[in-house]
Amino acid sequence: DVVMTQSPLSLPVTLGQPASISCRSSQSLVYSDGNTYLNWFHQRPGQSPRRLIYKVSNRDSGVPDRFSGSGSGTDFTLKISRVEAEDVGVYYCMQGTHWFTFGQGTKLEIK
Amino acid sequence: EVQLVESGGGLVQPGGSLRLSCAASGFTFTNAWMSWVRQAPGKGLEWIAHIKSKTEAETTEYAAPVKGRFTISRDDSKNTLYLQMNSLKTEDTAVYYCTTEWAGGFNSWGQGTMVTVSS
Repeated sequence: DVVMTQSPLSLPVTLGQPASISCRSSQSLVYSDGNTYLNWFHQRPGQSPRRLIYKVSNRDSGVPDRFSGSGSGTDFTLKISRVEAEDVGVYYCMQGTHWFTFGQGTKLEIK
Repeated sequence: EVQLVESGGGLVQPGGSLRLSCAASGFTFTNAWMSWVRQAPGKGLEWIAHIKSKTEAETTEYAAPVKGRFTISRDDSKNTLYLQMNSLKTEDTAVYYCTTEWAGGFNSWGQGTMVTVSS
C-alpha cells in the first residue's frame, strides 16, 4: 500500500503570511498514462472536504489563486501565498495513482 | 450544480448491517465513477469503495478493512449510489461521504451520514 506522509501536522500561521505543507509518498505517483494523480483537500471544522488541487498543480474551479501545488515523483508541496482567516482547517494530500490513500492531515490555525 | 445527498446512517449493533444511499443530481450520473470515503470521529479521511460506470461493467474495488463485508452498487435509473455494510465492527463508526471521481481524485462530496456501531 502507498503511504502518504505530511509535514508539519500542525501549522500556526499569521494572517497575510505564506504557508507551506509537504507531502511524501512511499512510492512514485507517476501512473502508466504519464499523469501524476496527487490531490490536495481542505476541510473546515464541521464541513465536508473540498478538493483544491488535482494532478499536482491544477486548481479546481473556484479555488483562489493564492493556493498552488507543485512537486513530482514522491515529493509534493501545497503553498498558500497569503493566509486568510477562511483558510483554517485541515489539509490533506491524497494519491489517486494506486487506488486512493490520504495523508494524516495538517491542521492550519491562525496565530 | 452537483448535489450528493447521503442517507441511511444510524446506530447499529456490532455484527449488524446497514445500507447507505446517495442521491445524485446536477451531473450525468450514468457516466460517473463514484466512491465512498469515511472519517472516524476526530480522525482523518479513508477511502473505502469505488465503482465504475456501466460502460466499464460497474467494476468495483475496496479498501482492505472493508473487503468482503461492504458492497458498493449503483442504480442509474434512480441516480443513486449505495453502500451495503454487513458484519459491522465498532471501528466502522464514522461519517460516510459519497463522492464523485474525476482526474484521479474526489471532486464533489456529499454532506455525509453518521454511522455508529455500538452495543
